[in-house]
Amino acid sequence: EVQLVESGGALVQPGGSLRLSCAASGFTFSSYGMAWVRQAPGKGPDFLSFIGYGGSPTYYADSVKGRFTVSRDNANISVFLHMDSLRVEDTAIYYCARVRTAGGRRFDPWGQGTLVTVSS
Amino acid sequence: IQLTQSPSSLSASVGDRVTITCRASQDISSSLAWYQQKPGKAPKLLIYAASTLQSGVPSRFSGSGSGTDFTLTISSLQPEDFAVYYCQQLNTPPLFTFGPGTTVDV
Repeated sequence: EVQLVESGGALVQPGGSLRLSCAASGFTFSSYGMAWVRQAPGKGPDFLSFIGYGGSPTYYADSVKGRFTVSRDNANISVFLHMDSLRVEDTAIYYCARVRTAGGRRFDPWGQGTLVTVSS
Repeated sequence: IQLTQSPSSLSASVGDRVTITCRASQDISSSLAWYQQKPGKAPKLLIYAASTLQSGVPSRFSGSGSGTDFTLTISSLQPEDFAVYYCQQLNTPPLFTFGPGTTVDV
């Protein structure tokens, strides 16, 4: 079964840092790009970042460019999102998703999400 | 690329035919996906490449369109279909934008 499990969400103060992890299983991780998406309370999903199967290319939404860094460890079948200079508006559930391309790009599946709360 | 969805919400009954529209601000060919999200759950892929049904998704769901105008249709609404539906464009990196969502409720 293809599965993604996020971890690392926490309560952090504004200006702080956090590193999210996403552990994959059930598929050949090194063959797929991966994405991070967040969803603020009561809002729709917001694409944040993409990383190619070999570690490049990487893409970022303007809202997190320069503050967030995506990386991956294919040997340990995990993808990470390092978040610096966190703001109150970064409060959200953070999801990782596999990016499939054969026949058309799509995000499938998604993990269950991890909650990041930025508050003093 | 901006995506708009209409309606933003709709009320329907079991057995109804439901149509949701997604419009892109520029041509995205067929690079559009539809997702369903239920409360407390991650979005679930329904349709990709505008009209390809994801494996395991009931055939009452269908998608159509290309260019800038796309449609998600539920042919006969079932109780488990009450949810929020999002479109997503995947034509133009780096931003794989989502639409604002359509809530389907009773």
